[in-house]
Amino acid sequence: GAVVSQHPSWVICKSGTSVKIECRSLDFQATTMFWYRQFPKQSLMLMATSNEGSKATYEQGVEKDKFLINHASLTLSTLTVTSAHPEDSSFYICSARDPRASDTEAFFGQGTRLTVV
Amino acid sequence: GQNIDQPTEMTATEGAIVQINCTYQTSGFNGLFWYQQHAGEAPTFLSYNVLDGLEEKGRFSSFLSRSKGYSYLLLKELQMKDSASYLCAVSDSNYQLIWGAGTKLIIKP
Repeated sequence: GAVVSQHPSWVICKSGTSVKIECRSLDFQATTMFWYRQFPKQSLMLMATSNEGSKATYEQGVEKDKFLINHASLTLSTLTVTSAHPEDSSFYICSARDPRASDTEAFFGQGTRLTVV
Repeated sequence: GQNIDQPTEMTATEGAIVQINCTYQTSGFNGLFWYQQHAGEAPTFLSYNVLDGLEEKGRFSSFLSRSKGYSYLLLKELQMKDSASYLCAVSDSNYQLIWGAGTKLIIKP
């Protein structure tokens, strides 16, 4: 199956700093990538849809100025958590659709565990 | 509104069979997915149903009834490594995935 790589796997940062998370599709071109956040014992919550070459579409309640998304190429999307605070500590996961697969199957990155201290 | 319901937690015995149910109400339907997620890891794809009926893949099977808004994931010959959360997700009319909260499956020896 298609491979999506996410980096870093985990990161610890100080409150007030910014953290960038990368999501790459390794063997296909992804015009659309998705960013999720998952708190402990909860399901995935879609944060935003990242579209190559255009602005991301954010879900209601997600601050676009805090969670900056850039999808500059067909294989790379980045999520930057700006001015991170302890409440931003969570598991962040990206996914992408492979146009060669079924219409909607999503392939996930490994996830990034963010801890803000 | 859109809603996906599945049990929060289930317990089963190694070697046995377990069925995890999922009911859904969504605006449109373009298929239902089951994903497995081990603690601290990203979800991995298990199955995809878009037509009514049973799809079998090794020890795992998934069933769909669109008229009832219902699906189940059947796991046979349970192994300890099957202990994980199982997520049901429906693709709606915009091909956006709507996720259930997940069912934590505990396997006991």
